[in-house]
Amino acid sequence: KNQVEQSPQSLIILEGKNCTLQCNYTVSPFSNLRWYKQDTGRGPVSLTIMTFSENTKSNGRYTATLDADTKQSSLHITASQLSDSASYICVVTTQNQAGTALIFGKGTTLSVSS
Amino acid sequence: DVKVTQSSRYLVKRTGEKVFLECVQDMDHENMFWYRQDPGLGLRLIYFSYDVKMKEKGDIPEGYSVSREKKERFSLILESASTNQTSMYLCASRGLAGEMFFGPGTRLTVL
Repeated sequence: KNQVEQSPQSLIILEGKNCTLQCNYTVSPFSNLRWYKQDTGRGPVSLTIMTFSENTKSNGRYTATLDADTKQSSLHITASQLSDSASYICVVTTQNQAGTALIFGKGTTLSVSS
Repeated sequence: DVKVTQSSRYLVKRTGEKVFLECVQDMDHENMFWYRQDPGLGLRLIYFSYDVKMKEKGDIPEGYSVSREKKERFSLILESASTNQTSMYLCASRGLAGEMFFGPGTRLTVL
């Protein structure tokens, strides 16, 4: 069964600290993996997209990694800010009989405190 | 910038009412989606549409219907709202490059 598992479920860190969020998937075939940031009460916004051949991709203080062999991805946030408080959702794209399908993780809720 | 708008940010309805949630995108995307998001369950696909007047059931279509009369507009309909349909509803559209663009969401409460 295609699944995306994220850990931890929630995380609290102090402003200025770094953190890493994990995403493990059992999705096949694999097309790409995206990380989304979702602020409270808002829709998700894309942070990064990674294809099979990409190992690392950065977007400002956000760095995503992908290990296609172990089917793991991580999102590293450097020098966290209060505005990083949000849910982070890992989404893997696959292909099925109906076409393109997105498999969503349940998200990690990050709280950055001062 | 792609823009996906939803008709309401917050909505309160009573059990049994017919509810319309509207979604409009301005990038001429063919693919549009309706999800609901609940704590601990993540996003779940209700319905999607690949073209005008075309619709496909997602993972949890029961209790919902959709309408796509124009390419830019995708409506979600709750024929007879129930309390278990209290949720955050997210509309999304997807272009040829594959990236999903989400609307701001509608927080629906059914009393």
